[in-house]
Amino acid sequence: AQKVTQAQTEISVVEKEDVTLDCVYETRDTTYYLFWYKQPPSGELVFLIRRNSFDEQNEISGRYSWNFQKSTSSFNFTITASQVVDSAVYFCALSVNFGNEKLTFGTGTRLTIIP
Amino acid sequence: ETGVTQTPRHLVMGMTNKKSLKCEQHLGHNAMYWYKQSAKKPLELMFVYNFKEQTENNSVPSRFSPECPNSSHLFLHLHTLQPEDSALYLCASSQAGEVSGEQFFGPGTRLTVL
Repeated sequence: AQKVTQAQTEISVVEKEDVTLDCVYETRDTTYYLFWYKQPPSGELVFLIRRNSFDEQNEISGRYSWNFQKSTSSFNFTITASQVVDSAVYFCALSVNFGNEKLTFGTGTRLTIIP
Repeated sequence: ETGVTQTPRHLVMGMTNKKSLKCEQHLGHNAMYWYKQSAKKPLELMFVYNFKEQTENNSVPSRFSPECPNSSHLFLHLHTLQPEDSALYLCASSQAGEVSGEQFFGPGTRLTVL
């Protein structure tokens, strides 16, 4: 069975600070996919990134960066120079299927950026 | 309309009522999903449809009945629900069979069962 743990339930930081959201996953499969989704107050989940288990390169997209470490089964997400619009609930998810038919989600981290 | 739409956005129903949630995707995808999001719990996958065929029923009680008449529409029929069924119900779609990495979600229906 798969499991995703997001130990941080809520985080608050002052605007322009950097913040890292933690994600730890468990799976016995050697091929798997990791995701981050953002859920703003409007409700819909917005896809941010996908990583497959064979690609441990870190990725940067603007103010967002992701650190994938298989040795610690972690896929952490950092927002640099946070902005109020970053306030949302962030979910880490795992899939072991080809494609993404069955996503296992973590419980989410509620991030609040204080102006 | 673009993306994934869901109606209604809010629904209040009694335990003896029958209601339906509707989801429509305008993305040309062939897979659709229902998720349940309760407070302080992970999103729970309820049902998966690939090419209109149900491929996953994640031990969901029979008071929830999905229907997928075509690859663009997905319904969730509700009857004799319990107060603990109150939650945000999210619909999603994707292109199954491709490693696209992306499920597109609708805004959800906030359901309250009295």
